Amino acid sequence: EAQVTQNPRYLITVTGKKLTVTCSQNMNHEYMSWYRQDPGLGLRQIYYSMNVEVTDKGDVPEGYKVSRKEKRNFPLILESPSPNQTSLYFCASSSVAGGIYEQYFGPGTRLTVT
Amino acid sequence: AQTVTQSQPEMSVQEAETVTLSCTYDTSESDYYLFWYKQPPSRQMILVIRQEAYKQQNATENRFSVNFQKAAKSFSLKISDSQLGDAAMYFCAYRTPYNNNDMRFGAGTRLTVKP
Repeated sequence: EAQVTQNPRYLITVTGKKLTVTCSQNMNHEYMSWYRQDPGLGLRQIYYSMNVEVTDKGDVPEGYKVSRKEKRNFPLILESPSPNQTSLYFCASSSVAGGIYEQYFGPGTRLTVT
Repeated sequence: AQTVTQSQPEMSVQEAETVTLSCTYDTSESDYYLFWYKQPPSRQMILVIRQEAYKQQNATENRFSVNFQKAAKSFSLKISDSQLGDAAMYFCAYRTPYNNNDMRFGAGTRLTVKP
């Protein structure tokens, strides 16, 4: 089954404790992105990647890191989480093959930083 | 940068009735893609419908259809014969073909379906 997976689905942590949210897709997509969703703001892009070892900042990259060492994986790293990073996070992937431009989303990760 | 505006934070509809969700966007590009995503309580983002800007014909998917007005930069979603399972948050999104990672979302409209 074609899908994007994220882990964990729920995470409660404390300020300053490093964490990683994993993302993996099995569709051989070139493009991957991380978004955060906050009430009244919709989804905002944090980082994106156009292929292995190619990443760039989105609209709200402060406090986040990413890496793309393999095509299928795109982890999101919070080196020192703060309460303002409490949010719902989505990983997404896409490809332009066949003219398909929509993004495929993972199930989301609910992060709470206390 | 392109912006997407959904002016209705909440909407409600009676089961079996029709409802229209509004979306406007701002762009200087002539070629782009527009999407409506549904987010039910499970939080999963589900693609409902998409529209290529170069196509004049409005996209339809079963009970879902769009009214795409390119000159007015408007992209509304019509849900016919509303069902209880249609209750969700709906997001309008814009994507430029010039940067395949650049997708802009509206703030969302929460749709309630009354039995």
